[in-house]
Amino acid sequence: GESVGLHLPTLSVQEGDNSIINCAYSNSASDYFIWYKQESGKGPQFIIDIRSNMDKRQGQRVTVLLNKTVKHLSLQIAATQPGDSAVYFCAVTWAGGYNKLIFGAGTRLAVHP
Amino acid sequence: GAVVSQHPSRVICKSGTSVKIECRSLDFQATTMFWYRQFPKQSLMLMATSNEGSKATYEQGVEKDKFLINHASLTLSTLTVTSAHPEDSSFYICSARSQGDYGYTFGSGTRLTVV
Repeated sequence: GESVGLHLPTLSVQEGDNSIINCAYSNSASDYFIWYKQESGKGPQFIIDIRSNMDKRQGQRVTVLLNKTVKHLSLQIAATQPGDSAVYFCAVTWAGGYNKLIFGAGTRLAVHP
Repeated sequence: GAVVSQHPSRVICKSGTSVKIECRSLDFQATTMFWYRQFPKQSLMLMATSNEGSKATYEQGVEKDKFLINHASLTLSTLTVTSAHPEDSSFYICSARSQGDYGYTFGSGTRLTVV
């Protein structure tokens, strides 16, 4: 089955620094990848997504990089702000997987002023 | 944008009773809905997938007789936790997706506490 994991369970950064959160997945058939932000007691909030035919996608202050060769994706947050403090999850789905979205373990990002 | 409304946000029930959680798509037709469970400091674990008008498909290890899922319309899915026990206390989250759309819209979650 699919497994999705993260390299770092927690990440502490100074306000204004760039943050990089990593995620590894196991299913080579994975074709759609999403990063979510979750604040305490709330549902996941969409940040950015990327399809398997791309290796980079940028949003406002965020960039997702996908390396299908090593089955790894990352979320880069530029100029991290205190409001970015939350738990970040990667999630993947794949054709033939009945559209199931499988979540990684999560990384807690703590931004210090 | 797409909105999913989940109710209640918090519920406390006595052990042995049943609790129903509702998930509604407000501005789109949710052909598929997903139910997740999240324990403290853990990730979201998929419990089941439901397609409108069909029986839900449960993930391995999830008791279908304990977690009853109904998806009778394109805008409403319900999860009923039957004969709840303290170990069922968790954060339950629904997600909805429309046919042909890659997007997944999540509800705000339900904190269930069984006492």
